[in-house]
Amino acid sequence: GDSVTQMEGPVTLSEEAFLTINCTYTATGYPSLFWYVQYPGEGLQLLLKATKADDKGSNKGFEATYRKETTSFHLEKGSVQVSDSAVYFCALSDGSSGGYQKVTFGTGTKLQVIP
Amino acid sequence: KAGVTQTPRYLIKTRGQQVTLSCSPISGHRSVSWYQQTPGQGLQFLFEYFSETQRNKGNFPGRFSGRQFSNSRSEMNVSTLELGDSALYLCASSLGWTGSGNSPLHFGNGTRLTVT
Repeated sequence: GDSVTQMEGPVTLSEEAFLTINCTYTATGYPSLFWYVQYPGEGLQLLLKATKADDKGSNKGFEATYRKETTSFHLEKGSVQVSDSAVYFCALSDGSSGGYQKVTFGTGTKLQVIP
Repeated sequence: KAGVTQTPRYLIKTRGQQVTLSCSPISGHRSVSWYQQTPGQGLQFLFEYFSETQRNKGNFPGRFSGRQFSNSRSEMNVSTLELGDSALYLCASSLGWTGSGNSPLHFGNGTRLTVT
């Protein structure tokens, strides 16, 4: 079945540091890939997405590139801010089995940015 | 445009009781999915409804059920509550096929259920 593996947290960075959160996936077909972010006390919000190989998703300074050859979708940001502190979820959507799309989430990576 | 609304925000119930959670999707969205979020298990898919029909179901016991109304609003019911059902229950809506690249999920803020 489909699966998403992302790096264990928590990740603690100083403000303005470079961020990378690793994400790899296993899927039977050609999935769409997503990063969602969850701020304390809230639900998940879509951060960015990519729907095919070599696509780059970007939003709010974050970006991730769909790498089919390495089955990866790593999240990066050049300079993090305290307001980026949240839990980040990598996810995939694959409709190749059974005809219905299903979203599979990773376990989440908690990011803490200190001033 | 209003987002996904979940009610109530917090619930405290006793073992053996039942509970109903409500979700109003974004206007125009026809698909509603439910997830259970716990620190140990992360996000677990419960089920998905589209046009009042359950289209997909996760690996949860029959005590967990749901339904969707003609206006796309959805309810989730848990009967005979157990301590392990304590979790944040998240509802998500999407315009078309759940979570597809062109129809990503939009989440509500969740209902925090505590079973004592």
